[in-house]
Amino acid sequence: QVQLQESGPGLLKPSETLSLTCTVSGGSTRSYYWSWIRQPPGKGLEWIGYSDYSGNTKYNPSLRSRVTISVDTSKNQFSLRLSSVTGADTAIYYCSGEPIFGVVVDYWGRGTLVTVSS
Amino acid sequence: QSVLTQPPSASGTPGQRVTISCSGSSSNIGKNYVFWYRQFPGTAPKLLIYKNNQRPSGVPDRFSGSKSGTSASLAISGLRSEDEADYYCAAWDESLSGHPYVLFGGGTKLTVL
Repeated sequence: QVQLQESGPGLLKPSETLSLTCTVSGGSTRSYYWSWIRQPPGKGLEWIGYSDYSGNTKYNPSLRSRVTISVDTSKNQFSLRLSSVTGADTAIYYCSGEPIFGVVVDYWGRGTLVTVSS
Repeated sequence: QSVLTQPPSASGTPGQRVTISCSGSSSNIGKNYVFWYRQFPGTAPKLLIYKNNQRPSGVPDRFSGSKSGTSASLAISGLRSEDEADYYCAAWDESLSGHPYVLFGGGTKLTVL
C-alpha cells in the first residue's frame, strides 16, 4: 500500500518561497504520476501540477511562472516549490500519486497547511 | 481561465437518488474524460469515478457517472448518511494551446437529510 506524507514549513512570509516534500513509502517514484493539489481553507480544490520520474511536468497556467515540481528517485520523494508567495497561497497542500500503468487508483497525503502571513 | 460549474449544494433523504451536475466547455469536458472525487471533512479527496463512468476498485455501484457533450453528472442511488461529503468534478482543459492542465469544479456539498 502506497503511503504519502507531506513535510515542510507551515508558516511563510510574503515573497518567500514555499518548499514542500512528499515522501513515498510502499511504492517506487518511477511508477507513478506525482501531483500537488491545494485547497484554501473552506474553499475548493486547485490543481497545481504534476511530474513523472523523468521530469515530464505539467502545471496550472495560473501558477506556471512560480511553480516547480520535481521527483527525486534516490530518496523516493517528490517536491513542490512555489516562489513569491502571497496570502492567496495560504492553503492545505496535498500530494497525490496515481500509477502510470495498471490499476486505476489514487493515493493522497493527509495534507499540510501552509499559511502566508507577515 | 476555463471553469467547471457545479451547484454549491445538493441534498436528499436516505434511499433517494441524487445527481450532481458539472458543466464545462468544449476545451475540457467536451473533449476529455471527467473524473469525480469525494472529500469528507478534514480528509484528503479520493477518486470516485474516472474516465466519465468507471469506478475504481472498492467504489460501490451506487455511484455512477455520465457525460454528454460539455456536461457531466454524478449519480448516487440508495443514498446513505455516510455519503454526506463534498464532491468535485475534474477534467483536463486544453484552452491554452500546448499547456493542458487539470481543472476542478467548485465542489458540491451533499447533505443527507
